[in-house]
Amino acid sequence: QSALTQPPSASGSPGQSVTISCTGTSSDVGEFNYVSWYQQLPGYAPQLFIYEVTKRPSGVPDRFSGSKSGNTASLTVSGLQAEDEADYYCSSYAGSNNYVFGTGTRVTVL
Amino acid sequence: EVQLVESGGGLVQPGRSLRLSCAASQFSFDDYAMHWVRQVPGKGLEWVSGISWNSDSLVYADSVKGRFTISRDNAKKSLYMQMDSLRTEDTALYYCVKGVDFGVVTSFDSWGQGALVTVSS
Repeated sequence: QSALTQPPSASGSPGQSVTISCTGTSSDVGEFNYVSWYQQLPGYAPQLFIYEVTKRPSGVPDRFSGSKSGNTASLTVSGLQAEDEADYYCSSYAGSNNYVFGTGTRVTVL
Repeated sequence: EVQLVESGGGLVQPGRSLRLSCAASQFSFDDYAMHWVRQVPGKGLEWVSGISWNSDSLVYADSVKGRFTISRDNAKKSLYMQMDSLRTEDTALYYCVKGVDFGVVTSFDSWGQGALVTVSS
């Protein structure tokens, strides 16, 4: 099972929006609505920010939103803040009791 | 707040075994699936294994199938990973992860801080 493809980096100025893509196949992202997004700050464990494509756990700011079109999922961060600077990973259920993660995207706030 | 505390990591020679434990608290452990996810420091995430709330469903990544065994003890609110025939490529930080709900097909809700496993001669 190949990793989902994410851009290595993304950046924006405070207040701007940034969108991270997560490209898979028709066997994972395209087939299942179990796409999640995780934020990982340096030296910390990942934290769930989006699950089942669009759902936000309690405590996650509504500046974070998820979507999916075909085999590509996206995470949009609106109103970028300095505290959003982190690594972001997507994941998807891939069928046959298997999961796949994305390659990760480093978001930089300029 | 959900708490997950891993233990049992360490340095082990290739071919040997290690058992990871994860102590859970501050949530109803027996209502949720649990997983192990690993990460080579500085690299990406890799799902390793998952177990349903009642241990009826045990699932593994192909890379560890036949070598790793996941289990849980709901009375002790604990998750385990028995790792046999370890390889150098198993070296990673192993996270104990709570599922969003009871089945193994779920998102990964809360994460422990990880247990480092180093496989080297």
